[in-house]
Amino acid sequence: EVLLVESGGGWVQPGGSLTLSCEASGFTFGHSAMHWVRRPPGKGLEWVAGINWTGGNLGYGDSVKGRFTISRDNAKNFLYLQIHSLRPEDTAFYYCAKDSTEGYVYGFLDHWGLGVPVTVSS
Amino acid sequence: NVLTQSPGTLSVSPGEGASLSCRASQSVNSNYLAWYQHKPGQTPRLLVYGASTRATGVPDRFSGSGSGTDFTLTITRLEPDDFGVFFCLQYGSSPKTFGQGTKVEIK
Repeated sequence: EVLLVESGGGWVQPGGSLTLSCEASGFTFGHSAMHWVRRPPGKGLEWVAGINWTGGNLGYGDSVKGRFTISRDNAKNFLYLQIHSLRPEDTAFYYCAKDSTEGYVYGFLDHWGLGVPVTVSS
Repeated sequence: NVLTQSPGTLSVSPGEGASLSCRASQSVNSNYLAWYQHKPGQTPRLLVYGASTRATGVPDRFSGSGSGTDFTLTITRLEPDDFGVFFCLQYGSSPKTFGQGTKVEIK
């Protein structure tokens, strides 16, 4: 059974930083692209970032470029999202999701985690 | 590629059918459109990908159709467990984009 478990969320002040983690199990992690997706309160889902199976090809949504960094550790089966210069509009539930392919661009998301909340407020 | 779902909310009695729409602002390349069901406290569940291919284990009461800019998820003979928010995802162009969701309530 595919399992994706996010951690690292919480409350942070504007301008602060946070690192989200996603522990993967139940599949060959190193063979799948991975993503972070978020849902701000009362709004729809937004794709945040994607990374291919090797970690050598990355992509970001326009609203997070330059502030967020996605990475992975295939030896430990972990996906990460480093978030810097946090803004109130980054407040959202953040989900880790597995891609159906090795590349992150043209695959659908076939498994998701439960998500973790991030609240940015002073 | 902006995805617009309608209706926003649907209230359906068990045994009835439901039709959910997902319209794209631009043609979805290769009909790379997926549908998901999300219930509170659970992970989103993949229902359909490639506009019409049911995911593993999804009952045939769920069917996807459409092409280009207009896509539909049809649920026949709704069961009490079929509630939740249903959303679409286009993955034919970058960035991937999502519809805002249709909430299905069971009467």
